[in-house]
Amino acid sequence: EDKVVQSPLSLVVHEGDTVTLNCSYEVTNFRSLLWYKQEKKAPTFLFMLTSSGIEKKSGRLSSILDKKELFSILNITATQTGDSAIYLCAVRNQGAQKLVFGQGTRLTINP
Amino acid sequence: DAGITQSPRHKVTETGTPVTLRCHQTENHRYMYWYRQDPGHGLRLIHYSYGVKDTDKGEVSDGYSVSRSKTEDFLLTLESATSSQTSVYFCAISESKRTGSQETQYFGPGTRLLVL
Repeated sequence: EDKVVQSPLSLVVHEGDTVTLNCSYEVTNFRSLLWYKQEKKAPTFLFMLTSSGIEKKSGRLSSILDKKELFSILNITATQTGDSAIYLCAVRNQGAQKLVFGQGTRLTINP
Repeated sequence: DAGITQSPRHKVTETGTPVTLRCHQTENHRYMYWYRQDPGHGLRLIHYSYGVKDTDKGEVSDGYSVSRSKTEDFLLTLESATSSQTSVYFCAISESKRTGSQETQYFGPGTRLLVL
């Protein structure tokens, strides 16, 4: 059974700090890993990773995948209060049209 | 914006009553999904559809049925609602135009369901 585990489940930091969110997975025939940000409403897409060692970057957010160790990290530098959200990680295996999600990390940025 | 709407956005119902949630998309995407989100569980797949009249079960399908008679509409039905089905329900589509694949899913605004 495919499985995704995120850590920590909850994190509280001060504005300006850098945070690292973790996502480990067990999936047969891995195809891709996706990160989403969820504020008060629907999850919004951040990144899709398919290859090891290639960093995806968008502003202060970046993510990288390690297919050997079966994990991904999401980094956020110079955090702002608007980064407060639940961050979700999901994986997809080859030939499947379904995503398996982790429990999410609730990130709170205090001013 | 992937052109996804959900209705109703909020619903309160009583145990034992049937409930139908609607997901509507405007961009002719083939794949549509229903998830539920509960604290501590992330998003869990209920059912999904890969075309008109083509559906399959997800990991938490018990107590739910779906139908897709038109490309643009994917209905989720709780035949006899139970308190354990109190949740936030999200519809999603796989968006192929922007990425060239069905791998990235985009979500609707959600329906908050309370079963008393």
